Amino acid sequence: DTGVSQNPRHKITKRGQNVTFRCDPISEHNRLYWYRQTLGQGPEFLTYFQNEAQLEKSRLLSDRFSAERPKGSFSTLEIQRTEQGDSAMYLCASSFGGGHETQYFGPGTRLLVL
Amino acid sequence: ILNVEQSPQSLHVQEGDSTNFTCSFPSSNFYALHWYRWETAKSPEALFVMTLNGDEKKKGRISATLNTKEGYSYLYIKGSQPEDSATYLCASPTYNQGGKLIFGQGTELSVKP
Repeated sequence: DTGVSQNPRHKITKRGQNVTFRCDPISEHNRLYWYRQTLGQGPEFLTYFQNEAQLEKSRLLSDRFSAERPKGSFSTLEIQRTEQGDSAMYLCASSFGGGHETQYFGPGTRLLVL
Repeated sequence: ILNVEQSPQSLHVQEGDSTNFTCSFPSSNFYALHWYRWETAKSPEALFVMTLNGDEKKKGRISATLNTKEGYSYLYIKGSQPEDSATYLCASPTYNQGGKLIFGQGTELSVKP
């Protein structure tokens, strides 16, 4: 296992289009997190899963955003009707447990909405 | 609301200089502090997880200290090298809320040869 992977690495889309990102966590990790990072800011929490259950969603996650983790393995993050303000780096992380457990990050998906 | 702050926002040093950055966080309900290094086009890399007041951790030329009573952590790099150029992030998990990390805005380090 080589770590957390994310696809695609880059995505350019036009405003109003839907996009979907995928995250493959480290296989034995039960927790999976999504974060978003914009220029000059640290990553901000979006949502997290424990196994297949989505346990928390940030108020940053509007109705246009949806995340799934079927069977507690990979996860997808979909953004519907993209807006220019959605342009950001979307990061995925996984861990075995929470709190003081290390979260291992993927390389992120850079989204640009034109 | 947990608020994590880092300073400075950016730092430019010469190769061989030693440097340090600060991460401050609320001292009440402290749970843990994470440090990450994030190089351009790569995944954020975990450096340290610190939990105890007075903790000091070291990884090669990088070390970190923790003061939970006053709410700060320092990251030190001894003899900076160009390959140390990266953004250094600190983050604190929210206690009893699933471990989501609250990040500071990062310190961008540039080391010139």
